[in-house]
Amino acid sequence: EPEVTQTPSHQVTQMGQEVILRCVPISNHLYFYWYRQILGQKVEFLVSFYNNEISEKSEIFDDQFSVERPDGSNFTLKIRSTKLEDSAMYFCASSEAGTMAPEAFFGQGTRLTVV
Amino acid sequence: RKEVEQDPGPFNVPEGATVAFNCTYSNSASQSFFWYRQDCRKEPKLLMSVYSSGNEDGRFTAQLNRASQYISLLIRDSKLSDSATYLCVVIPKLNSGYSTLTFGKGTMLLVSP
Repeated sequence: EPEVTQTPSHQVTQMGQEVILRCVPISNHLYFYWYRQILGQKVEFLVSFYNNEISEKSEIFDDQFSVERPDGSNFTLKIRSTKLEDSAMYFCASSEAGTMAPEAFFGQGTRLTVV
Repeated sequence: RKEVEQDPGPFNVPEGATVAFNCTYSNSASQSFFWYRQDCRKEPKLLMSVYSSGNEDGRFTAQLNRASQYISLLIRDSKLSDSATYLCVVIPKLNSGYSTLTFGKGTMLLVSP
């Protein structure tokens, strides 16, 4: 069964460092997303991406964040200068095209710990 | 008012019990509704979509009440494996084919032997 894969599963970084979280969406999907979940909190939308550009972003997705699809398979989230409050589980998701709310499939997540 | 609100629980039930969760949403223009399941420290997984007419999938029944802006999930004959957090998810608007999801904080269910 096709699945969204994310690497690494866990990353520890020092405050102020840059991190890149990687995702391989399901191959025939056209829409890609990043969500995050701070421990004990709800899952929050960060950004959606389609046709090599951002479709929508939330207030959380400020100038410290960027996304990229560097090749035909990877989808990355970069945090330029990490803060303690960036510690969270980051989920990548992808969905097929369509206007009737297609199902979003989630990767297993990257647990980011900023120290 | 929070966009999607759920009772956090936990709901502690014995195996075989029937349990129901409710969820309310604030945006009356919301388009689509789902229940996701999340196991501890795992990714959310779609459990079922929720339609105005109500829908059933095995032991699970979902209902939508647009007038009152709430969604429900009923689980019959609970199994130990049903223990998880159940996330109410709403799509606030349709955006040309993609689905930005708004999550509730989730309701924790613990099924005991």
